[in-house]
Formats: sequence, structure tokens, C-alpha cells
Amino acid sequence: DAGITQSPRHKVTETGTPVTLRCHQTENHRYMYWYRQDPGHGLRLIHYSYGVKDTDKGEVSDGYSVSRSKTEDFLLTLESATSSQTSVYFCAISGQGAAFFGQGTRLTVV
Amino acid sequence: QQQVKQSPQSLIVQKGGISIINCAYENTAFDYFPWYQQFPGKGPALLIAIRPDVSEKKEGRFTISFNKSAKQFSLHIMDSQPGDSATYFCAASMARYQGGKLIFGQGTELSVKP
Repeated sequence: DAGITQSPRHKVTETGTPVTLRCHQTENHRYMYWYRQDPGHGLRLIHYSYGVKDTDKGEVSDGYSVSRSKTEDFLLTLESATSSQTSVYFCAISGQGAAFFGQGTRLTVV
Repeated sequence: QQQVKQSPQSLIVQKGGISIINCAYENTAFDYFPWYQQFPGKGPALLIAIRPDVSEKKEGRFTISFNKSAKQFSLHIMDSQPGDSATYFCAASMARYQGGKLIFGQGTELSVKP
């Protein structure tokens, strides 16, 4: 999976609690992305980063924040989880061309 | 204008047949069109990609056909095999985002019957 590790792989959390998902890369790629995948919607971009401390919003950013303090790590935080954020979350990285995806994190908010 | 529309939603093909998945886009600023293959429980994996300066790209049994004037592109899988059974996503982006800021289609679940 192109040197991408997502953690945790599965998580169940309660509504209203904060949740942080981690993406770690060993490719030294400049760009990192967080997507969510839901049936009937394909994958939708949440946030992305074009360098350390440089991030921007994607298509579905409400309720999410991100941070990138090191080239290799990109964190996605749900400040107060809601049931609508139950989804599979994918991290992706890209350098000079195509994007490569991690294995995903299945998050269930109950 | 940012949407990518993909059809069909599901597809059943006999082994050895041709699988065809179609996508349409609206934003003429898109200039990178990849296809991803996803197996259950896995992340999407890049299959093949095309830029709009060519009308066709072939890699093994997989071919992308691109029609710039119609703003459409399609994936053809020749001699489809049961191992090709997966969900396929088309996507589009602008090259300045290095191919990672993607707008995805809704996905096509392909089943190849033996």
C-alpha cells in the first residue's frame, strides 16, 4: 500500500466524543489527503495537505479538522462525533503524479 | 460542475466477456482521469490513468477511451476474469493538485461469472 499506514483500522465511538485518526507515510510525499467512502457517494475529499502545517478544506470538511506537524503524519480529528460520520476513512498520498491509498479506517459512531 | 457521473452502478459479465464502465464530467479544467479498483476491505488501487491529450490508453486487458468533446471517458476490460470482480471508480482532477485532489464517480460493482 505504497508505504501508508492508517490507525486504528476499526473504531467504535459514542456520539459527542472526539476521535482522531492517524495516517503515516514512509514515501516522503508532499501531498496527503483524507477521504471518506459511503455507499452511493464514491469517495469524497474531507481535507488535504500540501506540506507541513499547510492544509485546506475539501468537499465535505464540516465537523472535521486536520493537522500535519511532520511530513510523514496527517491527523484527522472529529471534534464531536455524530452518527452521520459513521463511514470508512481513507488516507491517500501523492508526489509527482497518482494518488495511493491506505487500507482504510472503519469508524462507527453509536 | 465538479461532479463525475458514473454508470452503471452494477455490472454482471460472463468470463471472457468485455466489461464497459462509463463516466461523464462537466468541469473542462479537469486534465487527469484515473481509474481505481477496489476489493472488499481494501483501499482503492490505481488501475490506469489518462490525460486529455490522448484518446485511448491501453495497459494489458484494461483500456481507457477518452472523448474530450463529449466530456466522457470509459474503462474497457477485455477478456474479463472472475478475479476482476471488484468495485471500480472513475475520478478526475486538475494536474496542479498532483493527481490526489480527486472527484470520484459513484462506483461500479463488477461481478464476473465463471
